Amino acid sequence: EAGVAQSPRYKIIEKRQSVAFWCNPISGHATLYWYQQILGQGPKLLIQFQNNGVVDDSQLPKDRFSAERLKGVDSTLKIQPAKLEDSAVYLCGTMGASYEQYFGPGTRLTVT
Amino acid sequence: SQQGEEDPQALSIQEGENATMNCSYKTSINNLQWYRQNSGRGLVHLILIRSNEREKHSGRLRVTLDTSKKSSSLLITASRAADTASYFCATDAQTGANNLFFGTGTRLTVIP
Repeated sequence: EAGVAQSPRYKIIEKRQSVAFWCNPISGHATLYWYQQILGQGPKLLIQFQNNGVVDDSQLPKDRFSAERLKGVDSTLKIQPAKLEDSAVYLCGTMGASYEQYFGPGTRLTVT
Repeated sequence: SQQGEEDPQALSIQEGENATMNCSYKTSINNLQWYRQNSGRGLVHLILIRSNEREKHSGRLRVTLDTSKKSSSLLITASRAADTASYFCATDAQTGANNLFFGTGTRLTVIP
């Protein structure tokens, strides 16, 4: 089966600019996650979707981050405006039938 | 925080040796998972162990879980250069939301 697709793979922006990331999950996987992984750390959950509904966004900085999952398939994560501390890899993951998660290759964001 | 902690932070061994990584966590769990992350890539699921299991095997991987001590270990036997990666443990939080909380990771280097 095809894996989780993410784009772009790399993005460099200046602080205060906006950026969007896209994720296409594995077909049929209802649960989708966005994680932020700062260099040298483990991934930190930002938001969880079940189909097109938000299950948990308690760790999403809602003043600058937003995410949506229209039609319960693809998802986008947006940052507006970006700060230097947002430099990280943004990972999209989906949950399989046995609670394991499948991850895309991530988008490496550099904010200058 | 529910985040786990891996120990050691970094481990360097010769090819053919065994590698053991440990994970400690803070809250009660339904299951614990181990993931591998090669440099610049997304995470790959290795193995899941449920809270009522004490040991699980998958190929060259052996995972143990001690819920009384809130700890787990991952053993990789007969290591190969291709095992060089970061290894993360991840726990759920018994909230029913199927969220994962990742540790800080162990960076394993296998020297050919």
